[in-house]
Amino acid sequence: SQQGEEDPQALSIQEGENATMNCSYKTSINNLQWYRQNSGRGLVHLILIRSNEREKHSGRLRVTLDTSKKSSSLLITASRAADTASYFCATDGATDSWGKLQFGAGTQVVVTP
Amino acid sequence: EAGVAQSPRYKIIEKRQSVAFWCNPISGHATLYWYQQILGQGPKLLIQFQNNGVVDDSQLPKDRFSAERLKGVDSTLKIQPAKLEDSAVYLCASSARDRLYNSPLHFGNGTRLTVT
Repeated sequence: SQQGEEDPQALSIQEGENATMNCSYKTSINNLQWYRQNSGRGLVHLILIRSNEREKHSGRLRVTLDTSKKSSSLLITASRAADTASYFCATDGATDSWGKLQFGAGTQVVVTP
Repeated sequence: EAGVAQSPRYKIIEKRQSVAFWCNPISGHATLYWYQQILGQGPKLLIQFQNNGVVDDSQLPKDRFSAERLKGVDSTLKIQPAKLEDSAVYLCASSARDRLYNSPLHFGNGTRLTVT
């Protein structure tokens, strides 16, 4: 079963706009990770946020984590056509499920020039 | 550093045939994963190795799927016999797992399997 659920399932924006996607999960986590997948390719790690962190930045990416609500958000600022991809959140469970990364179904983002 | 290598890139077989996929992880990565990604879905973990031992294979259909990681490096995933619902992309990933330092996964480009 999939731990993370992304929302929305699909997102279409124009270059220069911001893109925000959300992830909700069900059980306690050690960390939460975001990945990008271009069509026909493998997943590429974007950012990892630990359970004791609330916000993290990497370039044009901003990730927040609210463990009380069991949710995370990924913000891509000033989007570019090259950001067109599917974005997945993945949870790394605490204690006995450590190391077992579970992925959501993803958000498909299309950025038009 | 060289990435995770997978082969073949594509494979088309008929149902009830067998197929094998190969993965070479990033050098020095102790943990290796096989994921199945059905079109439109997120990756689903099939099996996780730590060195050459199995950590988790709870979602591996053991009546038809098998995997091994000899000498803690390369790994193969086999399906025998294949079913139509096995059509998917099979992704291999590796990680320098450490309990103290959370490590991301590095994925290969996958093998796209079509069962007809």
